[in-house]
Amino acid sequence: AQRVTQPEKLLSVFKGAPVELKCNYSYSGSPELFWYVQYSRQRLQLLLRHISRESIKGFTADLNKGETSFHLKKPFAQEEDSAMYYCAPAARYSSASKIIFGSGTRLSIRP
Amino acid sequence: EPEVTQTPSHQVTQMGQEVILRCVPISNHLYFYWYRQILGQKVEFLVSFYNNEISEKSEIFDDQFSVERPDGSNFTLKIRSTKLEDSAMYFCASSDGGGETQYFGPGTRLLVL
Repeated sequence: AQRVTQPEKLLSVFKGAPVELKCNYSYSGSPELFWYVQYSRQRLQLLLRHISRESIKGFTADLNKGETSFHLKKPFAQEEDSAMYYCAPAARYSSASKIIFGSGTRLSIRP
Repeated sequence: EPEVTQTPSHQVTQMGQEVILRCVPISNHLYFYWYRQILGQKVEFLVSFYNNEISEKSEIFDDQFSVERPDGSNFTLKIRSTKLEDSAMYFCASSDGGGETQYFGPGTRLLVL
């Protein structure tokens, strides 16, 4: 069964501190991997896509195929990074690939 | 920058009534999706649509649900006879290819009383 696990419901760090949001997935085949972000009162938007290395706001994510993990990282958190973050694998090369969302991690940056 | 739009932003309906949620995908996109998020739960896939037919649907998408692309711009989700448990935020998304980035609309919050 396809499954995405984001173990932290809430992560609170100080401004300027490093951030790591964890994601582990169980997915048949080789999925395309995304992180989506939802800022307060805004729509879900793409934060990062593994295959194209598209990213916004200085975030990176390393794929570890052995551990099937795709953790999101940023070296220095900023207050505007406070948001809900979703790890999101999707079928690659599918006719219309569905995204399996994780339950999300709420990131709160303290000043 | 083009965006996916959804109407209405909020809808309140009585149990058993039909509702139609509307979406205007990004104009050159060919793949369309509906997702929903019940309050406090994760975003769940409902259905994907390509080439005027459903590509895939989840277990949630039962006979009470249908989708349609009635013209060249709109993509609709119809719930024939709403239940209390259909109360959720419904998101439309579109992409220009299978497996490509999906762009989400702002959502329609549906409340079934």
